Amino acid sequence: EVQLVESGGGLIQPGGSLRLSCAASGFTVSSNYMSWVRQAPGKGLEWVLVIYSGGSTYYADSVKGRFTISRDNSKNTLYLQMNSLRAEDTAVYYCARLYGDFQRGWFDPWGQGTLVTVSS
Amino acid sequence: QSVLTQPPSVSGAPGQRVTISCTGSSSNIGAGYDVHWYQQLPGTAPKLLIYGNSNRPSGVPDRFSGSKSGTSASLAITGLQAEDEADYYCQSYDSSLWVFGGGTKLTVL
Repeated sequence: EVQLVESGGGLIQPGGSLRLSCAASGFTVSSNYMSWVRQAPGKGLEWVLVIYSGGSTYYADSVKGRFTISRDNSKNTLYLQMNSLRAEDTAVYYCARLYGDFQRGWFDPWGQGTLVTVSS
Repeated sequence: QSVLTQPPSVSGAPGQRVTISCTGSSSNIGAGYDVHWYQQLPGTAPKLLIYGNSNRPSGVPDRFSGSKSGTSASLAITGLQAEDEADYYCQSYDSSLWVFGGGTKLTVL
């Protein structure tokens, strides 16, 4: 069974840093396109960033220069390093596999999500 | 403001048919990019419902169907059931990023 399990969320002060983890099972992270998608409280879904199987990364403008996506192939785990956090980054963060031809791709599966709250 | 536009809410009685629209533009749906749909039950992660405009993943009932035409797409749900009450999101691709609709809350009356 393909599965993603996130961890690392919590309460962090504005300007702080946090690293989220996403452990995969049932498939290999390094052979797939992997993404982070976030959902602010009571709001819709927002794509945040993607890492291609070859290692290239792409970011939404809202997080460019502050967030970094990476992976540890030996642990089959995806990471999201978040720096210079702002109140508007408060959201549930989901990791998801981007499946299919990447421009035509869809997100499946999704992890259960981890809540990041940026507040003083 | 989302790149893809969905109605904020729709409703229907058990057994009825409802449709949810997803309106885009010439830079996303109209450019030929596929549309995908997700169901998000209260307090849970989104789940893939329809991929590639009209394909159902294994395990998704055939009560759910998708279509695409021009710059828009639609999700239809027939034989509405209480457990279909959820938020539904469309998703496509636009200018080097993946985009979602604002979501539609389906209420089963």
